[in-house]
Amino acid sequence: GDSVTQMEGPVTLSEEAFLTINCTYTATGYPSLFWYVQYPGEGLQLLLKATKADDKGSNKGFEATYRKETTSFHLEKGSVQVSDSAVYFCALIGGSSNTGKLIFGQGTTLQVKP
Amino acid sequence: GAGVSQSPSNKVTEKGKDVELRCDPISGHTALYWYRQSLGQGLEFLIYFQGNSAPDKSGLPSDRFSAERTGGSVSTLTIQRTQQEDSAVYLCASSYPGNLNTEAFFGQGTRLTVV
Repeated sequence: GDSVTQMEGPVTLSEEAFLTINCTYTATGYPSLFWYVQYPGEGLQLLLKATKADDKGSNKGFEATYRKETTSFHLEKGSVQVSDSAVYFCALIGGSSNTGKLIFGQGTTLQVKP
Repeated sequence: GAGVSQSPSNKVTEKGKDVELRCDPISGHTALYWYRQSLGQGLEFLIYFQGNSAPDKSGLPSDRFSAERTGGSVSTLTIQRTQQEDSAVYLCASSYPGNLNTEAFFGQGTRLTVV
């Protein structure tokens, strides 16, 4: 079945460092890909998405490019801030089963230190 | 409503008791999901409802867990004979996956503590 794998955390960075959180997926067909974020004490919210190969999703300085050839959707940010400290989840929908089931990776905790 | 609403926000129950968790999705959203998030862990899929189709129950961890969705709107997740390992935050989300591109909107969750 469809699945999403993220790099293990926690990831600890200094402010203004470059961030990459790796995400790879397994699915046939053409899933849509998402990054969700969960800030401390808050609910999950969508950060960005991409719906077809080579699309780039972007929001709040974060970017991720849908790479079908490598089945990846890595999250990047050029200069992180303390306020980016959160748990980040990669997800897909509409893969093999095409039923609309939303499948998440295990989440990666990011801690940014001043 | 404006967003996905879950109730109660917190629930403490004794081991062996049954609990019901409620989710009010965003009006018009045909898809509804339940997930479980244990402390420091990721999102564990439990069940997925889509319109009038049979729900995908493949994530329910045992037969003590069940869920229903009445009238295509409100959903109730029931846990019978609760165990301490059931302690977690239970998250509900809804979406309108007309073209599979739309995001899912999450509620704030119900924090369940089994003592």
